[in-house]
Amino acid sequence: GQQLNQSPQSMFIQEGEDVSMNCTSSSIFNTWLWYKQDPGEGPVLLIALYKAGELTSNGRLTAQFGITRKDSFLNISASIPSDVGIYFCAGQEGANSKLTFGKGITLSVRP
Amino acid sequence: SAVISQKPSRDICQRGTSLTIQCQVDSQVTMMFWYRQQPGQSLTLIATANQGSEATYESGFVIDKFPISRPNLTFSTLTVSNMSPEDSSIYLCSVDAGSGTGSGYTFGSGTRLTVV
Repeated sequence: GQQLNQSPQSMFIQEGEDVSMNCTSSSIFNTWLWYKQDPGEGPVLLIALYKAGELTSNGRLTAQFGITRKDSFLNISASIPSDVGIYFCAGQEGANSKLTFGKGITLSVRP
Repeated sequence: SAVISQKPSRDICQRGTSLTIQCQVDSQVTMMFWYRQQPGQSLTLIATANQGSEATYESGFVIDKFPISRPNLTFSTLTVSNMSPEDSSIYLCSVDAGSGTGSGYTFGSGTRLTVV
């Protein structure tokens, strides 16, 4: 079946640093999504991407939809302690099709 | 976006028993989903809860183990039946309040289940 690959499993950065996370797939997706999950909560949507090559920002977050439609990245600039959590990428083949999630990256921010 | 109330938020259950998880949405939605998130793992879709008809289950999940109800457009339940320790996981309800593009997917806070 389809798989989304996220690595490494964990990242440790210093407060104020920028961090980049990548997500790759062996198959094409027409929508890419980035979610963040805080402890004890469900995932919350950060950014949605709909078009190959699209670059979208949401505050300190920037995400891009890869040209090949098989990858996406998420950048967080000037990290702060509340950025800690698990970041999942998800892909969707088409409207009303199910989401496929990556395994997530746990981000830790050292003050 | 839709607001989801999921309960219980956590439970510790004896093996062999069953637990029913409820998902209430503050607006009518067409599509409701149930996911499982095992410790340290990603989200795996269990089934799509269909209003007025049987749920659609993903490969590896069966109705006898995970019966689902969807009596109306704002409510669904997932039952984890005849539980074993391997069922210890977080169970999440999700709805698509958008146009099916993925960006309308909202998740409940989850039910953390521990089976002893």
